[in-house]
Amino acid sequence: DAGITQSPRHKVTETGTPVTLRCHQTENHRYMYWYRQDPGHGLRLIHYSYGVKDTDKGEVSDGYSVSRSKTEDFLLTLESATSSQTSVYFCAIFPGTGTIYFGEGSWLTVV
Amino acid sequence: DQQVKQNSPSLSVQEGRISILNCDYTNSMFDYFLWYKKYPAEGPTFLISISSIKDKNEDGRFTVFLNKSAKHLSLHIVPSQPGDSAVYFCAAKGLGAGSYQLTFGKGTKLSVIP
Repeated sequence: DAGITQSPRHKVTETGTPVTLRCHQTENHRYMYWYRQDPGHGLRLIHYSYGVKDTDKGEVSDGYSVSRSKTEDFLLTLESATSSQTSVYFCAIFPGTGTIYFGEGSWLTVV
Repeated sequence: DQQVKQNSPSLSVQEGRISILNCDYTNSMFDYFLWYKKYPAEGPTFLISISSIKDKNEDGRFTVFLNKSAKHLSLHIVPSQPGDSAVYFCAAKGLGAGSYQLTFGKGTKLSVIP
């Protein structure tokens, strides 16, 4: 158990609505990540954070924003959800051991 | 530009036989490689890793081999069990600015047939 909680675990939303996914960690690790997983694409990095208020873009950041106001929480926001953002979203942490650990995922469907 | 490639989307193996999953990379700056296993409706879980200074790492039924000159690594599972059926992702970590990020391949779905 990597001490990561994602919420909500499942969500259906309409095109054009804002959506926020939350990642909470219990161990105060500095690095946190948001990935999305899609068939044929594997795991792709959306955004990551290296500290409170310190974030940077990943490979597929368009249409997403993030915020980290506390060490333990990393929020991913879709400002205006589109069908192409239907995906499974995974939060991850890096404890400094060379390995990152993933949460259980948030399944998002945009209709 | 795909820096980590898993060219086989799927693999089927009989129970008890060896499963070999392959991964190629293009970036010479990668210094650490990992394999993750993912079951449906769960998050990826770390399986085994290898540093670029080694050519083999073994953990029980799982062995990872690294061929730096060929920029190729492979995961061997011996013997394969039905519970090994999952999607396996190869990942690589770079030096410097990329040292806290992992680049993943697209995954290989392993099916172990009883």
